[in-house]
Amino acid sequence: KQEVTQIPAALSVPEGENLVLNCSFTDSAIYNLQWFRQDPGKGLTSLLLIQSSQREQTSGRLNASLDKSSGRSTLYIAASQPGDSATYLCAVRPRGAGSYQLTFGKGTKLSVIP
Amino acid sequence: SAVISQKPSRDICQRGTSLTIQCQVDSQVTMMFWYRQQPGQSLTLIATANQGSEATYESGFVIDKFPISRPNLTFSTLTVSNMSPEDSSIYLCSVEERGDLSYEQYFGPGTRLTVT
Repeated sequence: KQEVTQIPAALSVPEGENLVLNCSFTDSAIYNLQWFRQDPGKGLTSLLLIQSSQREQTSGRLNASLDKSSGRSTLYIAASQPGDSATYLCAVRPRGAGSYQLTFGKGTKLSVIP
Repeated sequence: SAVISQKPSRDICQRGTSLTIQCQVDSQVTMMFWYRQQPGQSLTLIATANQGSEATYESGFVIDKFPISRPNLTFSTLTVSNMSPEDSSIYLCSVEERGDLSYEQYFGPGTRLTVT
């Protein structure tokens, strides 16, 4: 059974700092990995998707990497801003026909202090 | 990407009652999903709803408690029946779309349910 772990559970940084969020998964037979952002009491916003064959994806100040063999992904946020404060979730989709259920980590709650 | 709306955005309900949550998508999609996020926890898939067929429920979730309808390719409902305080959660619907390279899931804004 796939398990996804995110470390740290919470992180507080001063504005302008670069930071890294970590995600690890136990089964490397994945189809893709998605990073999401969730604001308090709200739904999820998809940030980046990495296919299993890819090593990284970039969008603006965000860069996500994937090392499938070691079961790890990182989300790098450059020059953090107070508006980045949210919970960040990673989720993996298994490989295989008809396999679409995402397994989520519990998230990292990020606070960016002005 | 698909734009998803949910109604209601939040509700406070009495124990023993039922609530129906609506999910509307701005494009036709085959796969729709319903997730639950209990306080302080991550998301758990309740069921998958395909148009024209019965919903497929995950382990621990049953149709009598969470009946789902999927009348067309843009709409679905989830009913939380005979509610108890343990049902207090955020309920989210999501859809899967085929992009250039991969399948990607998009989520609605969620329905925050409190059962008293």
